[in-house]
Amino acid sequence: DTAVSQTPKYLVTQMGNDKSIKCEQNLGHDTMYWYKQDSKKFLKIMFSYNNKELIINETVPNRFSPKSPDKAHLNLHINSLELGDSAVYFCASSQMTSGRIDTGELFFGEGSRLTVL
Amino acid sequence: DAKTTQPNSMESNEEEPVHLPCNHSTISGTDYIHWYRQLPSQGPEYVIHGLTSNVNNRMASLAIAEDRKSSTLILHRATLRDAAVYYCILRDRSLLFTGKLIFGQGTTLQVKP
Repeated sequence: DTAVSQTPKYLVTQMGNDKSIKCEQNLGHDTMYWYKQDSKKFLKIMFSYNNKELIINETVPNRFSPKSPDKAHLNLHINSLELGDSAVYFCASSQMTSGRIDTGELFFGEGSRLTVL
Repeated sequence: DAKTTQPNSMESNEEEPVHLPCNHSTISGTDYIHWYRQLPSQGPEYVIHGLTSNVNNRMASLAIAEDRKSSTLILHRATLRDAAVYYCILRDRSLLFTGKLIFGQGTTLQVKP
């Protein structure tokens, strides 16, 4: 049973197109995230949602719009794709209200590799 | 967030212990020390975390210096499956539930058979 699953795993598209990446978690967590790993392998947070509400938006261009229809899903829609958007995008989840206050452990999906031509 | 410094790469032989160091000289009193690792073509996975005392779990041990300015992740018997990038991350206790992890370049561990 995959805890955090993302689709598609690979996505190749042309500049200017609009694309979406979907994420689902079956861990019962209340918080979900999108992280981006660029070509130099640096991982950086993009968005964080708690109970469908946006709590972190790390100065990401407006072309990126996350959507959380419910606690178990956080999708990422990208408009007008640019070459620089090529990266691996990771979805993650955690339980914000856990009794284990000193953990805050994040569970990551396997990533979605986006290539913009 | 306070910064961490790790060696770019390390090598180990299979079934031998591995000590992965991390320097965090500007750590504050409310910073937890977290370790994550990223196996090839996978997302990061949690390894261990601690505040002041040494910690053990099924994956690894975490040794924290008395002044907390450095820590060491210990894999007791490295396997080929442990080849990964290991990230040492400081997380302020008050921000734990924001889920914001600040990843550095990490240490790429190679395990030789």
